[in-house]
Amino acid sequence: EVQMVESGGGLVQPGGSLRLYCAASGFTFSSYWMSWVRQAPGKGLEWVANIKQDGSEKYYVDSVKGRFTISRDNAKKSVYLQMNSLRVEDTAVYYCARDNYYDRGDFDYWGQGTLVTVSS
Amino acid sequence: DIQMTQSPSTLSASVGDRVTITCRASQSISNWLAWYQQKPGKAPKVLIYKASSLESGVPSRFSGSGSGTEFTLIITSLQPDDFATYYCQQYNSYSRTFGQGTKVEIK
Repeated sequence: EVQMVESGGGLVQPGGSLRLYCAASGFTFSSYWMSWVRQAPGKGLEWVANIKQDGSEKYYVDSVKGRFTISRDNAKKSVYLQMNSLRVEDTAVYYCARDNYYDRGDFDYWGQGTLVTVSS
Repeated sequence: DIQMTQSPSTLSASVGDRVTITCRASQSISNWLAWYQQKPGKAPKVLIYKASSLESGVPSRFSGSGSGTEFTLIITSLQPDDFATYYCQQYNSYSRTFGQGTKVEIK
């Protein structure tokens, strides 16, 4: 069974940092791009970042460029999101998702999400 | 950046109704479009990918069509489990953009 489990969310002050974790299982992790997608409370979905199978390519939505860094460890079947200089508007549930970058362009498996709250 | 516009934002319907949701892209995306269903407190679930391909396990009452800039999600006979929010999502190179969502409510 394909599964993604996120962790690392919590309450952080504006300007602070947080690192999110996503542990994957049930598929050949090293064969897939992976993405982070977020959803602010009561709002729609926003793609945040993705990373190629070997980590050699990484892309970000403009609003997080220079502040967030996506990375992965294929040996641990994990993907990470380092979030620095956090803003109130970064408050959201962050989902880890398997990214069908080449053949379908969609996200076919998602984790349950982890809540990040940026507030003073 | 490619913008995705869904309509309507909210839709009131009854069980058994035929429901149509439209998604418009700000520029051509060929058939690189997916549709998701999301229920409160849950992760989204993909229904349709590449505009018209039905995801495995998704009921056949869901269908998608379109190409270029205009896309449609149709639910042929709305069921109680279908009351949810639906999102379209485009894929253009590395970037992804979602529509703002369509909430399907009970009439």
